[in-house]
Amino acid sequence: QVQLQESGPGLVKPSGTLSLTCTVSGGAIGTSDWWDWVRQAPGKELEWIGEIYHNGNTNYNPSLKSRVTMSVDKSRNQLSLQLRSVTAADTAVYYCAREPLGSSGWYKAFDLWGQGTTVTVSS
Amino acid sequence: EIVLTQSPGTLALSPGDRAILSCRSSQSLTNNYLAWYQQKLGQAPRLLIYGASTRDTGIPDRFIGGGSGTDFTLTIRRLEPEDFAVYYCQHYGGSPLMSFGQGTRLEIK
Repeated sequence: QVQLQESGPGLVKPSGTLSLTCTVSGGAIGTSDWWDWVRQAPGKELEWIGEIYHNGNTNYNPSLKSRVTMSVDKSRNQLSLQLRSVTAADTAVYYCAREPLGSSGWYKAFDLWGQGTTVTVSS
Repeated sequence: EIVLTQSPGTLALSPGDRAILSCRSSQSLTNNYLAWYQQKLGQAPRLLIYGASTRDTGIPDRFIGGGSGTDFTLTIRRLEPEDFAVYYCQHYGGSPLMSFGQGTRLEIK
């Protein structure tokens, strides 16, 4: 059973860089799924950050594109998220999620989520 | 920019009632790439419906997704106590590539 687990610093200083890792266990980062990052500020709706394919192809939310970098390390079965020049508005729970290829085609939705990790931006 | 608008913001019903949640897109969605999620307090979202009407594995058949183009609905027949939560719709396609609605809170009346 595939599981996702986010990890990283819970506190980041303003203007610093937020760096998170998502470890995939119970299965390999294969060649058929996209992997995404989604965040949720306190009391707010979900916000899609971006996605990465096994070959490193990415798509980012235009609102965050200038500050975001995603990467994949298949040897470690890990995904990474970097968000630069953070402000208090980046305080949120950050989730990694899987966007699978099903038997009938791409889901274009997230069928598997990590538990989320809380990141606070504060000095 | 595609914007998803969910209504109502809050829906107060009783167990056994039927709930109808709406999600309206500002642009027609390609291939009806519209999904619905359930989120309970302190938990990650749970996928209920993708492709507008396909239930994910293990989702009870009381959850029914419908609609096309710009207007979509999630119907929950015969509400169970565990169904009271926040529900989000999510699209794929256009710009941004994905986004979520602002959510509908389903609460016990």
